[in-house]
Amino acid sequence: NAGVTQTPKFQVLKTGQSMTLQCAQDMNHEYMSWYRQDPGMGLRLIHYSVGAGITDQGEVPNGYNVSRSTTEDFPLRLLSAAPSQTSVYFCASSAKNEQFFGPGTRLTVL
Amino acid sequence: GENVEQHPSTLSVQEGDSAVIKCTYSDSASNYFPWYKQELGKGPQLIIDIRSNVGEKKDQRIAVTLNKTAKHFSLHITETQPEDSAVYFCAASADNYGQNFVFGPGTRLSVLP
Repeated sequence: NAGVTQTPKFQVLKTGQSMTLQCAQDMNHEYMSWYRQDPGMGLRLIHYSVGAGITDQGEVPNGYNVSRSTTEDFPLRLLSAAPSQTSVYFCASSAKNEQFFGPGTRLTVL
Repeated sequence: GENVEQHPSTLSVQEGDSAVIKCTYSDSASNYFPWYKQELGKGPQLIIDIRSNVGEKKDQRIAVTLNKTAKHFSLHITETQPEDSAVYFCAASADNYGQNFVFGPGTRLSVLP
């Protein structure tokens, strides 16, 4: 099993550009989520999904969209990137409590 | 909503000593409390967890204690080793499946040889 995979590992965007962060898991987990990690602030939940076709907002959803068309994939879209979205983004999947995190995507918005 | 505080933000110990990291939470409905270890350049990894119906749980050199009345829980690492150096996060969840976590800000642990 590859676990949770994320692409790309690094990305630099200009303000106003859009992009999609990819996340995939091969553990057949129903629950998937996206977090952002900023220095001194831990991980904050952006969006989550409890199964294919079902998504909901987390603590900091503004500026991000998600969709869940399959159990395996949970992409995160930045509609119009802003410098405040410079962060490290982690995708996670879980079944019954234990969350498995991907390796992260380091995003810089200039 | 839930708020999780974590102390200290940085901790340095000598190899072989013990390390203790403390977290407090605000939502009395929280019932699941995991601890994660994050090494440089990697995603967080679960190292131990505890549910609200248990006061203490131990796994080799790592233990977690929970005081529901005071709403705080702690991570204890004994006989620390250099490979324990990492950032540690506590979290709390009130979901039935413990899936919507609120994380503490993290503690950077350095184990000095």
